[in-house]
Amino acid sequence: AQSVTQPDIHITVSEGASLELRCNYSYGATPYLFWYVQSPGQGLQLLLKYFSGDTLVQGIKGFEAEFKRSQSSFNLRKPSVHWSDAAEYFCAVGNGGGGNKLTFGTGTQLKVEL
Amino acid sequence: NAGVTQTPKFRVLKTGQSMTLLCAQDMNHEYMYWYRQDPGMGLRLIHYSVGEGTTAKGEVPDGYNVSRLKKQNFLLGLESAAPSQTSVYFCATTDTSARSDTQYFGPGTRLTVL
Repeated sequence: AQSVTQPDIHITVSEGASLELRCNYSYGATPYLFWYVQSPGQGLQLLLKYFSGDTLVQGIKGFEAEFKRSQSSFNLRKPSVHWSDAAEYFCAVGNGGGGNKLTFGTGTQLKVEL
Repeated sequence: NAGVTQTPKFRVLKTGQSMTLLCAQDMNHEYMYWYRQDPGMGLRLIHYSVGEGTTAKGEVPDGYNVSRLKKQNFLLGLESAAPSQTSVYFCATTDTSARSDTQYFGPGTRLTVL
């Protein structure tokens, strides 16, 4: 069965600093990988996704992620964080097949210091 | 175009009471999902539907029932609520079985069971 690990529960960065959120997955075949963001009291919004092709994918709000098959990782990055990026970030792997279900990681809470 | 809406936004129940959560979507999507979100556990799939009239169990289905009588609506029922069902519930939809498809989330329902 697939699984997703987000090793960092909380991360604090200063505004303007770079950001990297870690995600490791376990999946038997080629994974379909997603990053979602959840602002306080809101639902989840897709940041970006990877399913084939270029291993560096660009998303909304200046985020990017790199798929590394050898490391089973799909880390999310942003060169310069804005205070409005404070939120919870979830990595997920899709299993396709019947139901096209997602398995989520436990999330990383990002705090941005001004 | 409202996207995915959930009713109600908040609810407090006593142990043993029943209730139904409604998810409605106007995107004509085939697939619909119910998740629960608990601190430190990410999102876990309760039940899902691959089309009108169909339902299937997810990762944590016990204590919940669902129905998809109309394509645009997906109902989640709690027949006899328990404190362990205190959670935030999210509905999501996606268009097809393509693994690259994005899931679109509703704003959530915060349920407290006393």
